[in-house]
Amino acid sequence: DAKTTQPNSMESNEEEPVHLPCNHSTISGTDYIHWYRQLPSQGPEYVIHGLTSNVNNRMASLAIAEDRKSSTLILHRATLRDAAVYYCISHGSGNTGKLIFGQGTTLQVKP
Amino acid sequence: ETGVTQSPTHLIKTRGQQVTLRCSSQSGHNTVSWYQQALGQGPQFIFQYYREEENGRGNFPPRFSGLQFPNYSSELNVNALELDDSALYLCASSPRTGPREQFFGPGTRLTVL
Repeated sequence: DAKTTQPNSMESNEEEPVHLPCNHSTISGTDYIHWYRQLPSQGPEYVIHGLTSNVNNRMASLAIAEDRKSSTLILHRATLRDAAVYYCISHGSGNTGKLIFGQGTTLQVKP
Repeated sequence: ETGVTQSPTHLIKTRGQQVTLRCSSQSGHNTVSWYQQALGQGPQFIFQYYREEENGRGNFPPRFSGLQFPNYSSELNVNALELDDSALYLCASSPRTGPREQFFGPGTRLTVL
């Protein structure tokens, strides 16, 4: 599993889009990119994952660079409830399912 | 559909004691993973159980052990508690092993005095 690097913190205004970056320069061709978030006093929550193509779901979009060395989680309209720690995880296909969490990005959303 | 549940919510123990934490996986999920989250840190993988067998282990000493039952619920046991074991213990279930979406419970907050 490749190491990921994220900014420690970011700020956003409510109802504006948020772009959360993640670098994973040592990622292998079969490693998936997963994003989880952890709201205060809760367990982590799955957000989205992808391999090569950009992905969309009801929560967010995941944009993966063509060389796969970086990706961006996009929240289209931030709400106060999106304030959380966001974790970017590189997850190998041969892996048993172990998620290796880093420090994550703490997102603050201002009203 | 019931999500992942954990018990107890909070627990206080003293150094040297033993503790058992419990997790009920989401319906239909046969894989359970346990994580330890110290204050201000990301969760750290302890081990995973798949169909009642350990299926991967992180860098934790043998005094951390686990069980999975036929109904796929799971226990985490920690012997000889140390002060550094104070943390939030998280359980996550998934429908099978591999790079799948994992569903986390709310955690058990363990304090060791």
